[in-house]
Amino acid sequence: NAGVTQTPKFQVLKTGQSMTLQCAQDMNHEYMSWYRQDPGMGLRLIHYSVGAGITDQGEVPNGYNVSRSTTEDFPLRLLSAAPSQTSVYFCASSYSPGARDTQYFGPGTRLTVL
Amino acid sequence: AQTVTQSQPEMSVQEAETVTLSCTYDTSESDYYLFWYKQPPSRQMILVIRQEAYKQQNATENRFSVNFQKAAKSFSLKISDSQLGDAAMYFCAYRSPLNNDMRFGAGTRLTVKP
Repeated sequence: NAGVTQTPKFQVLKTGQSMTLQCAQDMNHEYMSWYRQDPGMGLRLIHYSVGAGITDQGEVPNGYNVSRSTTEDFPLRLLSAAPSQTSVYFCASSYSPGARDTQYFGPGTRLTVL
Repeated sequence: AQTVTQSQPEMSVQEAETVTLSCTYDTSESDYYLFWYKQPPSRQMILVIRQEAYKQQNATENRFSVNFQKAAKSFSLKISDSQLGDAAMYFCAYRSPLNNDMRFGAGTRLTVKP
């Protein structure tokens, strides 16, 4: 049981490049989400999914795209990277969308955009 | 939108002593969930304790306990018998049962002195 895994751990991009951050969970969780963490701030919700084929926007969705084709995977796509997207990205999952369930976090991806 | 405020950017405590971290939040909802997460230098987000708003009894988990004051919208974390391993960033978080949104405070960096 690996929990929530994220790849890569570190990434450096140039402005305008695109890339996909991978997130997978093996706990059969319906709810998955992506956050970004910037210095001096808490985590902010980017996008979330309540099940395969269903996604929605969070607090800071601009510049990011998501899809959920399987229960296990929830990739985050940066369409055209900008320096403002330099951040640490966390993926999280929980059994159901309800607030009752605890969210489990992945180890994070540190992204630098030059 | 709900906001979460942690007014103490940094706190320090002597080993074996007790420390309290403050958190206030703003919401118009009557039912919600509150969390404290610990983030050590490894960046892993670790759930410390959770509180359901409809429960009047304060949650406890071993050396960690909360003081939940619903009317005052206050949710402080008390760490008893502090240990060196407690040194980390601590984030207070609010999760709404209605819109799957989760809001984090900016965090409090806790230092434990031997």
